[in-house]
Amino acid sequence: DQQVKQNSPSLSVQEGRISILNCDYTNSMFDYFLWYKKYPAEGPTFLISISSIKDKNEDGRFTVFLNKSAKHLSLHIVPSQPGDSAVYFCAATGTASKLTFGTGTRLQVTL
Amino acid sequence: DARVTQTPRHKVTEMGQEVTMRCQPILGHNTVFWYRQTMMQGLELLAYFRNRAPLDDSGMPKDRFSAEMPDATLATLKIQPSEPRDSAVYFCASGLVWTSGGFVDEQFFGPGTRLTVL
Repeated sequence: DQQVKQNSPSLSVQEGRISILNCDYTNSMFDYFLWYKKYPAEGPTFLISISSIKDKNEDGRFTVFLNKSAKHLSLHIVPSQPGDSAVYFCAATGTASKLTFGTGTRLQVTL
Repeated sequence: DARVTQTPRHKVTEMGQEVTMRCQPILGHNTVFWYRQTMMQGLELLAYFRNRAPLDDSGMPKDRFSAEMPDATLATLKIQPSEPRDSAVYFCASGLVWTSGGFVDEQFFGPGTRLTVL
């Protein structure tokens, strides 16, 4: 059973607009959430994280929002750039080190 | 420039053959993870080690997969015998975890080994 779900396998956004990637989780023991970005033929790289004691964390163009009651988090990228085109993985942990990943969302930023 | 390295980057083998994948974690990291990426399951955790001791290998098919850390600079993932359904990209990642729990650094991933079993 998928404890972390990314229901949109792909997303296409125009350059300069906002990209919103969504993630849902089922395990209420998760207390730390991360987003990783992956380019083809490379390993995932850490992008941004959020602890369950917060509902928002911002880093430059990237903002992660957490809605604990809905067990939902989202990643906002504003403005989107062509270099943001990649696969984005949502991950969650409740044991401080073991991560559970979603299946990924492929973002395509078009000119 | 500290990074996780993995060898080989690509491996094509025939069903029934033994496959060994190697990983060199970032120096000083005390936790090493093995993941498998498939289209259907995304990134699945196969096993992980803390200070070279296996903590969890519940994601691994025990009858054919084995993971070890012979020393702090080398982690191995072995499949014997390999099957076509093992075809995937295998990632190693490392991180530094406090003894009380919690990351000092996030997990850093290697470039992966793309395995094809014919």
